[in-house]
Amino acid sequence: GDSVTQMEGPVTLSEEAFLTINCTYTATGYPSLFWYVQYPGEGLQLLLKATKADDKGSNKGFEATYRKETTSFHLEKGSVQVSDSAVYFCASLPATGGFKTIFGAGTRLFVKA
Amino acid sequence: NAGVTQTPKFRVLKTGQSMTLLCAQDMNHEYMYWYRQDPGMGLRLIHYSVGEGTTAKGEVPDGYNVSRLKKQNFLLGLESAAPSQTSVYFCASSKEASKQQFFGPGTRLTVL
Repeated sequence: GDSVTQMEGPVTLSEEAFLTINCTYTATGYPSLFWYVQYPGEGLQLLLKATKADDKGSNKGFEATYRKETTSFHLEKGSVQVSDSAVYFCASLPATGGFKTIFGAGTRLFVKA
Repeated sequence: NAGVTQTPKFRVLKTGQSMTLLCAQDMNHEYMYWYRQDPGMGLRLIHYSVGEGTTAKGEVPDGYNVSRLKKQNFLLGLESAAPSQTSVYFCASSKEASKQQFFGPGTRLTVL
């Protein structure tokens, strides 16, 4: 079945450092791909998404490119801030006949001032 | 426009007790979902609904029941709580199957 694998955390960075959180997926066909973010004590919020190969999703300085050749959707940000400290979830939604989003295990990010 | 709300925010139960978690959304979404979040396991789908009066099992439905009597509400019930049901529960909704999900703030449940 479909699955999403993302790098284990926690990831600890200093402010203004470069961030990469790896995410790979297995799926039949070409799913839509998402990154959700969960701030402490809150529910998940959509951060960005991409619906087809080579699409780049971006929001709040974060970017991720849908790479079908490597089945990846890595999250990047050039300069993190303390306020980016959160848990990040990669997720996939089947292309056809399905609507159950599959979530990765989540990666906790700590950003130090 | 409150989005998705959940009550209660916290609850402690003893083994064997029952309770109902309430989820409400004011976005007129057709689809609603209940997830549980456990450390290292991400979110797992418990039950979902594709419209008023419909429910279906997700990935981990055992020990839970749900009802969707009104379009805006989705209830999750635990008939006889077990320590294995200690978790954080999230409700979500979406307008269409292919669209993003909107999440509530979560309910932290501890079963002793």
